[in-house]
Amino acid sequence: NAGVMQNPRHLVRRRGQEARLRCSPMKGHSHVYWYRQLPEEGLKFMVYLQKENIIDESGMPKERFSAEFPKEGPSILRIQQVVRGDSAAYFCASSPIGQTYNEQFFGPGTRLTVL
Amino acid sequence: DQQVKQNSPSLSVQEGRISILNCDYTNSMFDYFLWYKKYPAEGPTFLISISSIKDKNEDGRFTVFLNKSAKHLSLHIVPSQPGDSAVYFCAARYGGSQGNLIFGKGTKLSVKP
Repeated sequence: NAGVMQNPRHLVRRRGQEARLRCSPMKGHSHVYWYRQLPEEGLKFMVYLQKENIIDESGMPKERFSAEFPKEGPSILRIQQVVRGDSAAYFCASSPIGQTYNEQFFGPGTRLTVL
Repeated sequence: DQQVKQNSPSLSVQEGRISILNCDYTNSMFDYFLWYKKYPAEGPTFLISISSIKDKNEDGRFTVFLNKSAKHLSLHIVPSQPGDSAVYFCAARYGGSQGNLIFGKGTKLSVKP
């Protein structure tokens, strides 16, 4: 049973470019969460999605950031016109449906560097 | 304003001894708490959790204690092993939600042989 998969593992972008981060949840999981970790900080929640629905995006910056989880395929976190402050590790987590207390299972992360 | 606080950025322990990692929280609406372990360049790995209706949960060498009146939880690792060296994150979740976790900043544990 493969774990949560994220790609790419490392992504380098120049200021003003777009970054696309992908996340494939564990098999049977329909809940996906994105978190961002800045250096020396804990993980900060960004967005929570179920298939084709955004459930909670309270942690997403209002501009340049968007996320989707289509019916088919991985969840995508998209950052437009990246700036240096977007450099961070972005983690995706997934959890199964039907459990009251869901542990979230994390992927290895994508490390975004903006030059 | 940090709702989950890990006030010790680092902890060093001798192999075989007990490691105690602490976490404080401010929001009484949290009903579920989790500990994650993270190695460099990897994602966090779930370690152990506790519901707010309990005060202790044990899994092998790992025990989590919850003191609701003090809004404090701790993770005990006995005996500590060099492979336990990692960053440990405390996380909390709001009651009745399947949503996001609130993380502390982490404590880096070093277990010396």
